[in-house]
Amino acid sequence: SQTIHQWPATLVQPVGSPLSLECTVEGTSNPNLYWYRQAAGRGLQLLFYSVGIGQISSEVPQNLSASRPQDRQFILSSKKLLLSDSGFYLCAWSGGGGLIHQNIQYFGAGTRLSVL
Amino acid sequence: TQLLEQSPQFLSIQEGENLTVYCNSSSVFSSLQWYRQEPGEGPVLLVTVVTGGEVKKLKRLTFQFGDARKDSSLHITAAQPGDTGLYLCAGVRPGNTPLVFGKGTRLSVIA
Repeated sequence: SQTIHQWPATLVQPVGSPLSLECTVEGTSNPNLYWYRQAAGRGLQLLFYSVGIGQISSEVPQNLSASRPQDRQFILSSKKLLLSDSGFYLCAWSGGGGLIHQNIQYFGAGTRLSVL
Repeated sequence: TQLLEQSPQFLSIQEGENLTVYCNSSSVFSSLQWYRQEPGEGPVLLVTVVTGGEVKKLKRLTFQFGDARKDSSLHITAAQPGDTGLYLCAGVRPGNTPLVFGKGTRLSVIA
């Protein structure tokens, strides 16, 4: 069966510090991968998605970047965190092939990031 | 502009009561997904509705997709404390564009 792992579960970082959140998927190959941010009282906002190694699409301009160094690994990064980067970050995967955004997505448990 | 409006935003009810939450849009969707999210966890898919007018049942949960595929509803019969959580709808638009999520309805069922 497929599983998705995200870490860390919680993170408190000072403004201006770097960020690296990691997400890995097991039990499937060539998944589509997604990073979302969920702010309090708001819905999920898609930040990045990837259909393959080294292929990253950005949905919103921001202080963050994403990388996919391996087939089942997706990393969310920042060189210098802002207060506005605080939120709940979710990684998700869906089956490869077909229309990427129409496939059912399976979410990780999320990382709660607080920037102080 | 929020493409998918969910209502109510918050709902607190007693165990055993019935409730309906709504997901509305002026846009047409190819399909619509409903998720439940518990605190500190990621959303978990409950159901996908695809055809206009479609009704799907999942135990005490009934999901309906509007005839025009612009809206959907979730009805829970005899709510239980285990139903507590954030209910999110997400719309799949025609073409290959990202899922659109509503802001969610936060349900609290009190024993």
